[in-house]
Amino acid sequence: GQQLNQSPQSMFIQEGEDVSMNCTSSSIFNTWLWYKQEPGEGPVLLIALYKAGELTSNGRLTAQFGITRKDSFLNISASIPSDVGIYFCAGQLGNNNDMRFGAGTRLTVKP
Amino acid sequence: DAGITQSPRHKVTETGTPVTLRCHQTENHRYMYWYRQDPGHGLRLIHYSYGVKDTDKGEVSDGYSVSRSKTEDFLLTLESATSSQTSVYFCAISLLATQETQYFGPGTRLLVL
Repeated sequence: GQQLNQSPQSMFIQEGEDVSMNCTSSSIFNTWLWYKQEPGEGPVLLIALYKAGELTSNGRLTAQFGITRKDSFLNISASIPSDVGIYFCAGQLGNNNDMRFGAGTRLTVKP
Repeated sequence: DAGITQSPRHKVTETGTPVTLRCHQTENHRYMYWYRQDPGHGLRLIHYSYGVKDTDKGEVSDGYSVSRSKTEDFLLTLESATSSQTSVYFCAISLLATQETQYFGPGTRLLVL
């Protein structure tokens, strides 16, 4: 099936630093979504992107839908300890129920 | 928090035994989904439902069946569990067909020995 390549796999950063992660694919997606998952919980939606070139913010989080529709990135500014978790990208193909997830980026923030 | 519960939260079973996982919602959402989460693969869709008695296969449906006899409950059955089905299983619900309105349950950790 269509693969989403998410990088980096893990990040160890100091509190206050900015973070950037991205997802790429050889397939074209209609929607890009970014989720955060904490231990023992299900993923929680952070940002949804609907059209190529769209740039959307949610507090300290900013995500963009790539112009080619094959990639997306997520930035977190001024990281804080509660940003710790696993961040997943997901891309929605033509069929509304056909969504593919990246393998995740594990973020550790050192105080 | 969206009203989604999964049961059991943890289960250990043996190869060849049947296993049923339950997802229960109190939101009256039409769409329900079952995913599995494995290291290196993110989440993969197993089956989904778009209404009572209406279900369809996802990306990794082999070895799984589902049933939805009531709006609030979506059951995932492993007829004969295999070790490759060891995983964390997440249920999700959605008000709309577009999945950006999707909420996930807390997950069920299944170990097949």
